[in-house]
Amino acid sequence: EVQLVESGGGLVQPGGSLRLSCAASGFTFSNYWMNWVRQTPGKGLEWVANINQDGSQKYYVGSVKGRFTISRDNTQSSLYLEMNSLRAEDTAVYFCTRGPGGPNGGVSYSWGQGALVSVSS
Amino acid sequence: DIQMTQSPSTLSASVGDRITITCRASQSVDTWLAWYQQRAGKAPKVLIYRASSLESGVPSRFSGSGSGTEFTLTISSLQPDDFATYYCQQYISYSLTFGGGTKVEIK
Repeated sequence: EVQLVESGGGLVQPGGSLRLSCAASGFTFSNYWMNWVRQTPGKGLEWVANINQDGSQKYYVGSVKGRFTISRDNTQSSLYLEMNSLRAEDTAVYFCTRGPGGPNGGVSYSWGQGALVSVSS
Repeated sequence: DIQMTQSPSTLSASVGDRITITCRASQSVDTWLAWYQQRAGKAPKVLIYRASSLESGVPSRFSGSGSGTEFTLTISSLQPDDFATYYCQQYISYSLTFGGGTKVEIK
């Protein structure tokens, strides 16, 4: 069974930093694209970033470019999101999702339970 | 970025009803479109990919159609478990975008 477990969320002040982790199990992690998708409380979904199987391709939504960095460790079956210069509008539940196994990213076939990030003074 | 617009934003319906949700893209996404269901307090789950392909394990009452800029998700006979919020998502572009969501409520 595919399992994705996020950790590292919490309360941080504006301008601060946080690192989210996602521990994956139940599948061969190194074969799949991985994503971070966020959801503002009571609002819709927003794709944040994704990374291909070997980490050579990384893509970001415009609002986080230059502030967030996605990475992965295939030896540890783990996905990460380094978040710097955090803003109030980054407050959201962050989901780790598993993408497809092919050459292109896209559909999120499996989702974690989410980690809440709150940015407030 | 490609903008995805869903309508309606809220839909009130009864068990057994046939319902249709529409998703429009600001430019063609061919058939690179997925539909997700999110129940209250839960993570989303994929229902449909490539506009009309049913994900394994998803009941056949769900169907998707469309190509280019206009897509629909249809539930042929609404069941109690189907009261949820539905999102479309395009993936023709490396910059993925979701629609704003359609909440299906009990009438």
